[in-house]
Order: sequence, then C-alpha cells, then structure tokens
Amino acid sequence: EVQLVESGGGLVQPGGSLRLSCVASGFTFSSYAMNWVRQAPGKGLEWVSSISHSGSGTYYADSVKGRFTISRDNSKNTLYLQMNSLRGEDTAVYYCARDRGVVRGLEIDYWGQGTLVTVSS
Amino acid sequence: DIVMTQTPLSSPVTLGQPASISCRSSQSLVHSDGNTYLSWLQQRPGQPPRLLIYKISNRFSGVPDRFSGSGAGTDFTLKISRVEAADVGVYYCMQGTQIPLTFGGGTKVEIK
Repeated sequence: EVQLVESGGGLVQPGGSLRLSCVASGFTFSSYAMNWVRQAPGKGLEWVSSISHSGSGTYYADSVKGRFTISRDNSKNTLYLQMNSLRGEDTAVYYCARDRGVVRGLEIDYWGQGTLVTVSS
Repeated sequence: DIVMTQTPLSSPVTLGQPASISCRSSQSLVHSDGNTYLSWLQQRPGQPPRLLIYKISNRFSGVPDRFSGSGAGTDFTLKISRVEAADVGVYYCMQGTQIPLTFGGGTKVEIK
C-alpha cells in the first residue's frame, strides 16, 4: 500500500523558514517523480513544485520560485520542501503527492494527508 | 500558464441521479508525446484529494465504474452515472501537459 506521511508544518512568523518532510513507503520511491501541492484554507488546489525521480530536475510555481527548494533523498525514501522568506499567502495545507511520471509532474496518483503551515505574527 | 475552468461551481443532485461536470482548458492539452494529461480528482470533506480518472478517461485503481471521463483537446467532462452519498465532495480537473500543473477551481457535488 502506497503511503505518504508529511511532517514539519507549524506556525511561523512572516520572513521565517520551515522544512517539510514526506516519508514514502509501499513503492519504489526512486522510480517516481514527486510533487508538493498546497491548499489554502477553504480554497482550491495549487501546485507548488515537482522533482524528477533522480532529483536532477526540479520545477517550481512562480509564486514560490527563489524562496522554496524541493529535494529528495532516495536512500531514505524522503521528499523535502525547504521554505524560506515565508509570507502570509503561503498559509496552507501542504500535500506530498506521488506522480505517475518519472521526469516531472504529469499525473498525481497518490496524496498524503497533508501538513498545515501557518504564517502569522 | 494553462487556465482550467470548471462548471458548474455547485451541483445539487438527487441520490441515484446522474451528475456531470465540465472542464475547459485555455489551450490544447495534447502533449508532444501524443497523450492528453487531463485528470479528475475527488476531495471528500476533511480528506486529501484522490485520483479518479487520468488521461481523460482511464479509471484509477479502485474507482467505481459509475465514474467516467470523456473529451478531447480543450473540453472535458466527468460523469457520475448514479450519485451516491459517498460521492459528496469537491471535484477538480487537473492538467499535467505543461508546467506549471494547474487545477480547475473545483465543483462541489452535494445531495439535494
């Protein structure tokens, strides 16, 4: 069974940093591209970032480019999202999501339960 | 960026009756590899999204056959043949043909 378990969310002040983690199990992690998708309270879904199966290719939404960094450690079956210079509009539930693609996000097939990030003073 | 537009915003449906959701993209979703990366997701209240349909019309593992997808190019449709109580939630279309991946605004399916 595919499982994705996020952690690292919490309350942070504007301008602060957080690192999200996602531990994957139930599949060969190194064979799949991975994504981060967020959902602001009461709002729709917004893609944040994708990373290729090997980690060599990374892609970002314009809204986070230069502030967020996606990475992965295939030896630990773990996906990361380093978030710097956080703003109020980054407040959201952040989902880790597996992709059916290899090189980049194409079709998201499995989602974690999400971790809430709140940016507020 | 490709803009995904869903209609209606809300769909009150009687149990056992069909429901239909439309999704239109601002440009063709046909990828250079010949595939069309249009997916449909369901998000039940308080739950993460769940994949229902990928590449326009392929049902994902475990998805009941009352869900079906159709369309081509820029116009796509999700149909629920007979709505059940478990189908209540918000439905999203999503395109993966071009980065950034983009989602429709969502359609809320509720029981009348």
